[in-house]
Amino acid sequence: AQSVAQPEDQVNVAEGNPLTVKCTYSVSGNPYLFWYVQYPNRGLQFLLKYITGDNLVKGSYGFEAEFNKSQTSFHLKKPSALVSDSALYFCAVRGGGGFKTIFGAGTRLFVKA
Amino acid sequence: DVKVTQSSRYLVKRTGEKVFLECVQDMDHENMFWYRQDPGLGLRLIYFSYDVKMKEKGDIPEGYSVSREKKERFSLILESASTNQTSMYLCASSLGPGQQYEQYFGPGTRLTVT
Repeated sequence: AQSVAQPEDQVNVAEGNPLTVKCTYSVSGNPYLFWYVQYPNRGLQFLLKYITGDNLVKGSYGFEAEFNKSQTSFHLKKPSALVSDSALYFCAVRGGGGFKTIFGAGTRLFVKA
Repeated sequence: DVKVTQSSRYLVKRTGEKVFLECVQDMDHENMFWYRQDPGLGLRLIYFSYDVKMKEKGDIPEGYSVSREKKERFSLILESASTNQTSMYLCASSLGPGQQYEQYFGPGTRLTVT
């Protein structure tokens, strides 16, 4: 069965510092991995995805994510956090030939000025 | 840009009422989805539609039904609302059936059942 784990409910980081939001997954076959962000009282917005190829994927707003097959991880990163990055982040996976996308429980990111 | 709109941002209904949540997308996407979002549980798929008049159950379809009469519109119906259906409901669409396609979400409807 497919699953996604976001081990941290909340991540706190100071503005200007690098940030990492962790995600691990379990899926049969090749994974298709996604990150979404949700700002307060808004729907989810697509940030980036890994389909195949280069393990480092770049996305919107300066975010990037690294696919690590051996560790079954897809951590979201940004070199320098902004206060405006404060939001709820969801990791998601599709795979195994199914139509469903499985979402993690979400990680709330707080960036302090 | 893809735009997904939902008929209401906030809705308050009484137990036992029939509730309709409407979703419209403007990019001719084949696939449409209904999720509910609850704190600590992430998003859970209620129903999925891959074509007009076609639907598939998701993980939590009990108490819900859907309708897709036109490609751009996907409706979620709560046949008899109950308090445990109080939640944020998110509609999404994606370009095609392939697993590589990301989803585009509407702003959500926060439903309260009293």
